[in-house]
Amino acid sequence: DGGITQSPKYLFRKEGQNVTLSCEQNLNHDAMYWYRQDPGQGLRLIYYSQIVNDFQKGDIAEGYSVSREKKESFPLTVTSAQKNPTAFYLCASRYSGKAYNEQFFGPGTRLTVL
Amino acid sequence: AQTVTQSQPEMSVQEAETVTLSCTYDTSESNYYLFWYKQPPSRQMILVIRQEAYKQQNATENRFSVNFQKAAKSFSLKISDSQLGDTAMYFCAFIVQGAQKLVFGQGTRLTINP
Repeated sequence: DGGITQSPKYLFRKEGQNVTLSCEQNLNHDAMYWYRQDPGQGLRLIYYSQIVNDFQKGDIAEGYSVSREKKESFPLTVTSAQKNPTAFYLCASRYSGKAYNEQFFGPGTRLTVL
Repeated sequence: AQTVTQSQPEMSVQEAETVTLSCTYDTSESNYYLFWYKQPPSRQMILVIRQEAYKQQNATENRFSVNFQKAAKSFSLKISDSQLGDTAMYFCAFIVQGAQKLVFGQGTRLTINP
């Protein structure tokens, strides 16, 4: 089945630690996105990537880093510089060839800082 | 700046009733695409319906339909014969032709009561 997988589903981090959230897609989509969602809030874009080895900052990139070494994978690292990382993180992908193509979302990762 | 406004943070209706969720957006572009996403308690984002701005005919998907008023920059979602499974956060979003990322609203939390 084609889709987007995110792991782990739940992640706990101690203050001062870096953690990496995994996002993999087998939809052959070129574009991938990371969003942060706080309780009861909307989606805020962290980073996005249109092609391998290239990515752009979104609205709240500070304290986060990404890589895009493979088309299928777009991991997000939450660094110790992110002061309030506890949130729900959603990964999405999309075929950018047509503007009407929707984004497909993964099931999300809930990150909690202890 | 391109923005999406969902003026109803929360709504609640009885099962089988019809409910309309409001969405307005702001863009100076003329070619764009609009989407409604649903995020149920599982937090999996699901596309509900999409609309191409160049089409005058309102999109319909089973019990879901939109009222697209391009001049007013309004894109409301109507849910007919609401069901308990419609309980979710609903996000309005759009993307401009040639752009790389969607612009999301803050969401409307819809509760369907038995």
